[in-house]
Amino acid sequence: NAGVTQTPKFQVLKTGQSMTLQCAQDMNHEYMSWYRQDPGMGLRLIHYSVGAGITDQGEVPNGYNVSRSTTEDFPLRLLSAAPSQTSVYFCASRNGASGLYEQYFGPGTRLTVT
Amino acid sequence: GDSVTQMEGPVTLSEEAFLTINCTYTATGYPSLFWYVQYPGEGLQLLLKATKADDKGSNKGFEATYRKETTSFHLEKGSVQVSDSAVYFCVLLYGNNRLAFGKGNQVVVIP
Repeated sequence: NAGVTQTPKFQVLKTGQSMTLQCAQDMNHEYMSWYRQDPGMGLRLIHYSVGAGITDQGEVPNGYNVSRSTTEDFPLRLLSAAPSQTSVYFCASRNGASGLYEQYFGPGTRLTVT
Repeated sequence: GDSVTQMEGPVTLSEEAFLTINCTYTATGYPSLFWYVQYPGEGLQLLLKATKADDKGSNKGFEATYRKETTSFHLEKGSVQVSDSAVYFCVLLYGNNRLAFGKGNQVVVIP
């Protein structure tokens, strides 16, 4: 199993540009989430999904969109990048109730917005 | 809301020293508690967990005990190695399957 994969590893955007961060998992997990990690702030939940076709907002959803058309993929879209979105982004997945206690994280995407 | 608080600042210590990282939590119900570890350039990995009061989670020589009376879940290791250098996050699982992360502590072990 590859686990949770994310692309790209690094990205630089100009203010106002849009892009999609890719996330895929091959463990048939129902739950997938996107977090951002900022210095000294831990991780904050952006959006999450409890299954294909179902998504919901987390703590900091503004400026981001998600969709979940398949179990495997959960892309995160930045509609119009802003310097405040400079961060490291992590995708995570887990099983449903049986996997309640462990999330599997991808290696992260480091995004810089200038 | 439900939250966790980790001690401030990085931790620097020598190989074979004793490590303690403090974590306290605020919760309305009976949360589950975790420690996650992030090695340089990688995502987070589950280190250990405890799902009810007085449970002790342990893994790779690390331990943490869920103390309801002091609302704490301190992480300890008796003899650290250089390979334990990483960032450690205390995490709480609360209603609606949400995770609350502490700010993390950078641990640097010097040979």
